[in-house]
Amino acid sequence: ETGVTQSPTHLIKTRGQQVTLRCSSQSGHNTVSWYQQALGQGPQFIFQYYREEENGRGNFPPRFSGLQFPNYSSELNVNALELDDSALYLCASSLDLGGLPFTEAFFGQGTRLTVV
Amino acid sequence: GQNIDQPTEMTATEGAIVQINCTYQTSGFNGLFWYQQHAGEAPTFLSYNVLDGLEEKGRFSSFLSRSKGYSYLLLKELQMKDSASYLCAALSGGYNKLIFGAGTRLAVHP
Repeated sequence: ETGVTQSPTHLIKTRGQQVTLRCSSQSGHNTVSWYQQALGQGPQFIFQYYREEENGRGNFPPRFSGLQFPNYSSELNVNALELDDSALYLCASSLDLGGLPFTEAFFGQGTRLTVV
Repeated sequence: GQNIDQPTEMTATEGAIVQINCTYQTSGFNGLFWYQQHAGEAPTFLSYNVLDGLEEKGRFSSFLSRSKGYSYLLLKELQMKDSASYLCAALSGGYNKLIFGAGTRLAVHP
């Protein structure tokens, strides 16, 4: 068990709807990164949050947005859902030591999103 | 560009040794991670290498050569439960994002 929890575990949404996914980071970690993993592929970096601000973004459109809260938990919001958004969404918790590379990143169990 | 390459599939026999290779090209390289992922589950952290050389953790070892952009994961005394996907990921960039390969599906048979 990593201590990183995500909710919900499974979700079915209709094309065009909006969805919010949640992540609680491991105790002592201050950074949360979100990844999208399509079936049979490796996880793709969406964005990272540190000190409640977006700290880097991958190649995802603006309809993917997020938040980080003072307790370091985080949300991923996706607007105007498309069929291709169906994937496993993973959050990873890590400790940022003033910009130094982290040496551990632990993933939550993921949210399986299906868009129909 | 940024690229991580690893074999798509491998098979091995229970009790044997298997080596999974990974080559990478990334900007701002800050280290190499290996994760294990069983079907439908989250990736589980296995190892992290930032300096050249071998890191050993029980049955699993990981090697890194920064000059060659190369890493491998070595699994010894294979067990059936080791059947999973193994993800190689490079830590890249000023804000520490993980760039993943597509994963290597390892099948361990009796």
